[in-house]
Amino acid sequence: GAVVSQHPSWVICKSGTSVKIECRSLDFQATTMFWYRQFPKQSLMLMATSNEGSKATYEQGVEKDKFLINHASLTLSTLTVTSAHPEDSSFYICSATTGVKGYTFGSGTRLTVV
Amino acid sequence: AQTVTQSQPEMSVQEAETVTLSCTYDTSESNYYLFWYKQPPSRQMILVIRQEAYKQQNATENRFSVNFQKAAKSFSLKISDSQLGDTAMYFCAFPPGTSGSRLTFGEGTQLTVNP
Repeated sequence: GAVVSQHPSWVICKSGTSVKIECRSLDFQATTMFWYRQFPKQSLMLMATSNEGSKATYEQGVEKDKFLINHASLTLSTLTVTSAHPEDSSFYICSATTGVKGYTFGSGTRLTVV
Repeated sequence: AQTVTQSQPEMSVQEAETVTLSCTYDTSESNYYLFWYKQPPSRQMILVIRQEAYKQQNATENRFSVNFQKAAKSFSLKISDSQLGDTAMYFCAFPPGTSGSRLTFGEGTQLTVNP
């Protein structure tokens, strides 16, 4: 089946630094990828949608200059949290789709900013 | 607006018993897919079952089945013979609109299976 590999699974960084999270579709071409943020015991909150070769579409309230998304190829999308602060600490999940029938999720990244 | 509502924040069930999780949604689309995902403590999102709205027959996957009521916009998940490994957060979701559009998730139901 379709597999999305997400790295790193957890990361601790100092306040003010940047962190990059990668999502790769291993055995299929992901035309669209989604980035979610999840707080403990809450649902997934969509941050942005990215299509290969074009700029990401951000949800209302999401700072596009803080959360940089790049979808340079059909198999790779990256989320960079720039100038991270403690309030950016969260669980980030990517998801890829090739159509309405199939949504595959990465294993998530737990970000802690100290 | 497309919405998904799960009215049961937490549920518990004894091992080997049956439990039903509720989900209602709202959409103006006539054809769409509906999904149930589980998120165990590992936090990996796992597809449990999928239902195509144009199919009248309820989807079934082993111990998991749905009760899909299109007119009522209801999509409940029944878990039979509950197992300890079923303990997880369960999310109802659907992709409103066109093919490949983002999923809209419900708030989730935390299910605990007790031994």
